[in-house]
Amino acid sequence: DVKVTQSSRYLVKRTGEKVFLECVQDMDHENMFWYRQDPGLGLRLIYFSYDVKMKEKGDIPEGYSVSREKKERFSLILESASTNQTSMYLCASSDQGATNEKLFFGSGTQLSVL
Amino acid sequence: AQSVTQPDIHITVSEGASLELRCNYSYGATPYLFWYVQSPGQGLQLLLKYFSGDTLVQGIKGFEAEFKRSQSSFNLRKPSVHWSDAAEYFCAVVRNTGNQFYFGTGTSLTVIP
Repeated sequence: DVKVTQSSRYLVKRTGEKVFLECVQDMDHENMFWYRQDPGLGLRLIYFSYDVKMKEKGDIPEGYSVSREKKERFSLILESASTNQTSMYLCASSDQGATNEKLFFGSGTQLSVL
Repeated sequence: AQSVTQPDIHITVSEGASLELRCNYSYGATPYLFWYVQSPGQGLQLLLKYFSGDTLVQGIKGFEAEFKRSQSSFNLRKPSVHWSDAAEYFCAVVRNTGNQFYFGTGTSLTVIP
């Protein structure tokens, strides 16, 4: 089974801290994604990556950055955490190709910024 | 712009009753359409997907969905709901096979005995 692992299930940080959310997938997928999930808003795409060292902005990239130094790892960075970034963060990966349009999700990281 | 609309925020059904969750999309060409389910404390799991061909698609856990181009809809159905189906359900669309998934706001399903 494809596994997408997010390093932390729960995180509590203080305003202004730099926060790293890590995601690792074990299926050699080219594509990786970061979403945030908020009640009433569904999932919103923050950033995605089609390849190593490559990144693209999603719908809500402000306040975030990403890093993809290795194919299996995609990190989301909050340079200076703010309370409005309190949310559930979901990482996902997918294989390239029209017949493999399926996202595999991690279990999520619930981030609270105080 | 919102590409996927799920008009029902929350639905409650009795165990054994039938279920239909609504999803409408706005997109010129035929999109790739998906339904995902999220159980409490879990990530999202794919229930089914539609790319082309037969407009009625079967998924896991007894779910099915029907693509209706004329109504721009992709509603999810199940003939008899089980208590374990209580979860959040998300409709999603991918545009132009670009691997950019856009999700609806979700429908929360409660199943009562």
